[in-house]
Amino acid sequence: KQEVTQIPAALSVPEGENLVLNCSFTDSAIYNLQWFRQDPGKGLTSLLLIQSSQREQTSGRLNASLDKSSGRSTLYIAASQPGDSATYLCAVKGGSEKLVFGKGTKLTVNP
Amino acid sequence: EPEVTQTPSHQVTQMGQEVILRCVPISNHLYFYWYRQILGQKVEFLVSFYNNEISEKSEIFDDQFSVERPDGSNFTLKIRSTKLEDSAMYFCASSEMATPQHFGDGTRLSIL
Repeated sequence: KQEVTQIPAALSVPEGENLVLNCSFTDSAIYNLQWFRQDPGKGLTSLLLIQSSQREQTSGRLNASLDKSSGRSTLYIAASQPGDSATYLCAVKGGSEKLVFGKGTKLTVNP
Repeated sequence: EPEVTQTPSHQVTQMGQEVILRCVPISNHLYFYWYRQILGQKVEFLVSFYNNEISEKSEIFDDQFSVERPDGSNFTLKIRSTKLEDSAMYFCASSEMATPQHFGDGTRLSIL
C-alpha cells in the first residue's frame, strides 16, 4: 500500500529565503507525482506535475524534482514571499486513477 | 482558466439524512473524482468515474455512497444516511487522460 510522507510538517521562514519541501513515497512504481497548494478552507491548486520519466519540472519560482528509484521528490521555492504562505501537498499516482496524498507541509513566510 | 465548481460551499445536515453534493467538472475532461479531507487529516480518495461508470473506489466508498452524472455537465456524490464521521471537506476533481487532476474549492459537510 502506497504511503506518502512530507517533512517538515511546518516551516516558518523570513521573506526572500529559498526553501525546500520534501516528499517521500514507499512504492516507487508511480505514474506521476503532483504538487498542490492549499489555502485555509480552500481547495487544492495544482502547481506542478512530474511524469515518472521526468527528473524535474519548473514553473516560475517553483522547481520540483523527482527521484523515483529512491522514492523522493522535492519542491524548491525561490525567493519566498508572504503570498506563498499555504499548505503544500504532494500526491502520487500509481497504476490506478487515484492520487495518494501526504499530510502536507504548512509554510509561513514572514514579512 | 476553466475551473471545477462545487455547490454548496457548506452543507449542514442532521445525522441520518441524505445529502447530495454537486460538482461541475471542466467541460472537456473525461475522468471525474471525489476525495474527502477530515479536519487535520490527509486528503483521501473516494471514487473515480469514467465513461459513465465507476472505475475505482476505496474501502471508504461503501453502500451508503453513490455517484451519478445525471447530464452532460454535472457530477454528484450522494450519501444516503449520513453519520457523524462523514463530517469532512469533500472535493471534486476532473482530468483528461494522463493530465493533472484539477480540484474544486470543496463542500464542507457538517453532520449534527
